[in-house]
Amino acid sequence: GAGVSQTPSNKVTEKGKYVELRCDPISGHTALYWYRQSLGQGPEFLIYFQGTGAADDSGLPNDRFFAVRPEGSVSTLKIQRTERGDSAVYLCASRLGPYNEQFFGPGTRLTVL
Amino acid sequence: AQKITQTQPGMFVQEKEAVTLDCTYDTSDPSYGLFWYKQPSSGEMIFLIYQGSYDQQNATEGRYSLNFQKARKSANLVISASQLGDSAMYFCAMREPLNTGNQFYFGTGTSLTVIP
Repeated sequence: GAGVSQTPSNKVTEKGKYVELRCDPISGHTALYWYRQSLGQGPEFLIYFQGTGAADDSGLPNDRFFAVRPEGSVSTLKIQRTERGDSAVYLCASRLGPYNEQFFGPGTRLTVL
Repeated sequence: AQKITQTQPGMFVQEKEAVTLDCTYDTSDPSYGLFWYKQPSSGEMIFLIYQGSYDQQNATEGRYSLNFQKARKSANLVISASQLGDSAMYFCAMREPLNTGNQFYFGTGTSLTVIP
């Protein structure tokens, strides 16, 4: 299909390890978002890209979290020194234009043991 | 203050009946957009319906309609003729200002169960 894809679908890691989560947006969508969804909660904004640049990273909880989108398409969310509290579903979404809705990927479920 | 408030953690509806899911929002910006998403147990967020703050008419999309009451800052989702496949989490979201705002603010969701 032509939807937003995310890999891996599940990631189990140990406390202190480094993880990378990948998002492949819909072709042509310039805006890309990362969200974190904890159990029983709505998605929580992390970072927004317009093209290659991070236009708004105010939602990143601390400097262990970092995201890149080097060519304006695929994005990678990187988490260093993972903690148990980082366990959540990480959702990626893309949007075509300023008046359009977001389309979400299936998410990556991260579990930190 | 919460940008989006959904006060119904769980709702039940009989199949083929209509159901209203409540959403109130908080903003001082005159330009904003309101969105509803459905999240089945599979986890993917599915866009349902959109209402812009300047839209004169309530949005409708098939069996979904949005009861937009601007003065009360509410944007309730109405699902008509409920189906078993409607059982899911439903999230209300807002983007402000509409054309330049970067963030979508989501509520905590309402779990809808459709009873046969």
